[in-house]
Amino acid sequence: AQSVTQPDIHITVSEGASLELRCNYSYGATPYLFWYVQSPGQGLQLLLKYFSGDTLVQGIKGFEAEFKRSQSSFNLRKPSVHWSDAAEYFCAAGGGADGLTFGKGTHLIIQP
Amino acid sequence: NAGVTQTPKFRILKIGQSMTLQCTQDMNHNYMYWYRQDPGMGLKLIYYSVGAGITDKGEVPNGYNVSRSTTEDFPLRLELAAPSQTSVYFCASSYYFSDGYTFGSGTRLTVV
Repeated sequence: AQSVTQPDIHITVSEGASLELRCNYSYGATPYLFWYVQSPGQGLQLLLKYFSGDTLVQGIKGFEAEFKRSQSSFNLRKPSVHWSDAAEYFCAAGGGADGLTFGKGTHLIIQP
Repeated sequence: NAGVTQTPKFRILKIGQSMTLQCTQDMNHNYMYWYRQDPGMGLKLIYYSVGAGITDKGEVPNGYNVSRSTTEDFPLRLELAAPSQTSVYFCASSYYFSDGYTFGSGTRLTVV
């Protein structure tokens, strides 16, 4: 069965520190991969996506993600976090029109 | 450009009541989706549509129905509401299924 795993339920990072959020997927073939961010009480916003080609993809708000086929991973990174990055982050994967499979999310807390 | 509009934002239903969650997009997107979000569980796909007149079940369709008579609208119908349907519901759309989704701001539904 298709699945997306985000191993970390909560992550706490100091403002200005670097960030890495983990995502592992299980699919029959390499799926389309996405990262979304959700602020409290809001819908989800697309940060970045990967289809093929360069395994390091750039997104909005200074985020990037690296696809590693050998590890079935698509980890999200940011060199220096800001207090406004505090939110819920979701990794998602899909192979066709029948919708994306989402991970359970990682709650990011920023310490001053 | 309004994007994806969901109404209502909040609703309390009594057990056994019915209601329709409205979703409208003005981006001429072909693909539309309904997800529910429960705490710590990520998003689960309820129904999706690849175009006007075409709908299909997702992972958790029981207790729900949809229709897609126009490209713009994709209402979700709850019949005989149950406490298990207490959730936050998100509508999303995309032009191609490989695009990232544009999400609405959600409907928070409580069944008592």
